[in-house]
Amino acid sequence: QMQLVQSGAEVKKTGSSVKVSCKASGYTFTYRYLHWVRQAPGQALEWMGWITPFNGNTNYAQKFQDRVTITRDRSMSTAYMELSSLRSEDTAMYYCASTIEPTAHSSLNYWGQGTLVTVSS
Amino acid sequence: QSALTQPASVSGSPGQSITISCTGTSSDVGGYNYVSWYQQHPGKAPKLMIYDVSNRPSGVSNRFSGSKSGNTASLTISGLQAEDEADYYCSSYTSSSTLRVFGTGTKVTVL
Repeated sequence: QMQLVQSGAEVKKTGSSVKVSCKASGYTFTYRYLHWVRQAPGQALEWMGWITPFNGNTNYAQKFQDRVTITRDRSMSTAYMELSSLRSEDTAMYYCASTIEPTAHSSLNYWGQGTLVTVSS
Repeated sequence: QSALTQPASVSGSPGQSITISCTGTSSDVGGYNYVSWYQQHPGKAPKLMIYDVSNRPSGVSNRFSGSKSGNTASLTISGLQAEDEADYYCSSYTSSSTLRVFGTGTKVTVL
């Protein structure tokens, strides 16, 4: 069955970077868009960006435009989200999620288990 | 791009029906039929409950239904059950540079 498995929890210092991975299985990795969504403690979901695994095209939320990079390794069926210049407000659970269809507007029907990133000084 | 507006909380007794609203603008909810709803239990990843305004993914109970009127989308849960107690988020495609926006979230309590 379709599954997205993310890398483990991270503790980072203010100003550093973090790279979270998301390994897909059970479907053709290049077919569906792969999104990243984060959720700060007690807060709402926040969309960060997506990648099309087929050609590596990306689109980022304006808020994260200058700090986030989403990449993929087709041979490993894995996507990555790197966030730089970390600050305490970036402490959150980070989720990857894939779409129903290969379109930018398609809903997110499969989610990873989440990766907790904690940022402290 | 501001988050879509949802009521902070909605409650109901077992067996009742409740409706959660999700208000946006003509650039998102009102402009496209790409509204989705997600259920999130504490400590768990979100789960897709409704997509493209009113479609249910395979395996989702038909007690969940979605609709839209103008700039406001709605999720209705009928025959409320204890297991429906969770946070619910709407989401929409948007013409802004953000492309996708989530709602502020609604906590559903089963009394």
